[in-house]
Amino acid sequence: DVKVTQSSRYLVKRTGEKVFLECVQDMDHENMFWYRQDPGLGLRLIYFSYDVKMKEKGDIPEGYSVSREKKERFSLILESASTNQTSMYLCASTGLAGGSRSVEQFFGPGTRLTVL
Amino acid sequence: QQPVQSPQAVILREGEDAVINCSSSKALYSVHWYRQKHGEAPVFLMILLKGGEQKGHEKISASFNEKKQQSSLYLTASQLSYSGTYFCGTEPNRDDKIIFGKGTRLHILP
Repeated sequence: DVKVTQSSRYLVKRTGEKVFLECVQDMDHENMFWYRQDPGLGLRLIYFSYDVKMKEKGDIPEGYSVSREKKERFSLILESASTNQTSMYLCASTGLAGGSRSVEQFFGPGTRLTVL
Repeated sequence: QQPVQSPQAVILREGEDAVINCSSSKALYSVHWYRQKHGEAPVFLMILLKGGEQKGHEKISASFNEKKQQSSLYLTASQLSYSGTYFCGTEPNRDDKIIFGKGTRLHILP
């Protein structure tokens, strides 16, 4: 089974702190994505990556950065957390798996971040 | 630009049918449908590709009108397990980048 794991289910941080959210997938997928989910707004794409060392801005990248040093790991960084970044953060991956291309995105369980 | 989903929410009794619509202002390569149960991650249901190919769920069907950039998800004889929030995701180009709608909350009553 494909597994996408995220480092924490719940996280509480203070305004101004640097926050790292980690995502790891075990299917050797080349594509990885970070979304935030807010009530009534759906899933919004923050950043994505098609390969190691590569990153692309999504629809709402402001206030965030990412790092992809290894294929299986995609990190989301909040350089200076603010209260409006309180949200559910979801990581997903897709790509070639076992020789065939996956059409679906596999999501992690999410990290609920609260910034006080 | 996010696709527009309608309705925003629907309440049904078990056994009734539901249709969820998704509309985009852009030409599309594919439309994806996902379901998210409360407290869980979204799970893939179906993809509809330009040209008519479909891959997905056995008991849920969908249509894709490429000319109108619209898709509809059909839930027939709904079961309690169908409750959740349904997201459509549009893929304008064949690049795995999906833009998700705001979701449709579906609640099935016994």
